[in-house]
Amino acid sequence: GQQVQQSPTSLVLQEGENAELQCNFSTSLNSMQWFYQRPGGSLISVFYNPSGTKQSGRLTSTTVIKERRSSLHISSSQITDSGTYLCAMVASSGSWQLIFGSGTQLTVMP
Amino acid sequence: EAAVTQSPRSKVAVTGGKVTLSCHQTNNHDYMYWYRQDTGHGLRLIHYSYVADSTEKGDIPDGYKASRPSQENFSLILELASLSQTAVYFCASSDILGENTLYFGAGTRLSVL
Repeated sequence: GQQVQQSPTSLVLQEGENAELQCNFSTSLNSMQWFYQRPGGSLISVFYNPSGTKQSGRLTSTTVIKERRSSLHISSSQITDSGTYLCAMVASSGSWQLIFGSGTQLTVMP
Repeated sequence: EAAVTQSPRSKVAVTGGKVTLSCHQTNNHDYMYWYRQDTGHGLRLIHYSYVADSTEKGDIPDGYKASRPSQENFSLILELASLSQTAVYFCASSDILGENTLYFGAGTRLSVL
């Protein structure tokens, strides 16, 4: 099965609403990252967050290692937040490789 | 500003033809990676490199070769392109293997017909 499960698969919001994106891992993780991908564009690292809570502007990431999960909270969403958000993990044992989830496609409507 | 540049940005290739995707980074990073992304899926690692003149296989290396002639340049080569290799390809670099921030290029959209 998939090692990195993201939910929801897609999300449509009205501008100003908050969003909560989830990432669950099937194995123990060493670290994880959140990436943002513009439609048809490149990936930009949003958070490198191996554990705990990090905030950057309207974005907050919380990773709970022992529960094998991470969340990305977007407050007061804006149209420019639209795109795909991917999480990726490095497992605590075995390969160093980043394992990506399939992403959450976020659409913020005016 | 960290920069990873890919070329071409898009390519149409014929089945059985040879395709070379190029990547150049100005980050002074040791590690470089090639990923592919299929519609509605996450990224999968094809090849990576941690030093010039050396490459390593990732999760899905079959049908692909890689070349790292210098620290700045990393190429992905499809000797005999197939329909199943239609995808978007991303190059990335990092200063620490698998950790810290990856810097991605803009991607190359490859269509094999």
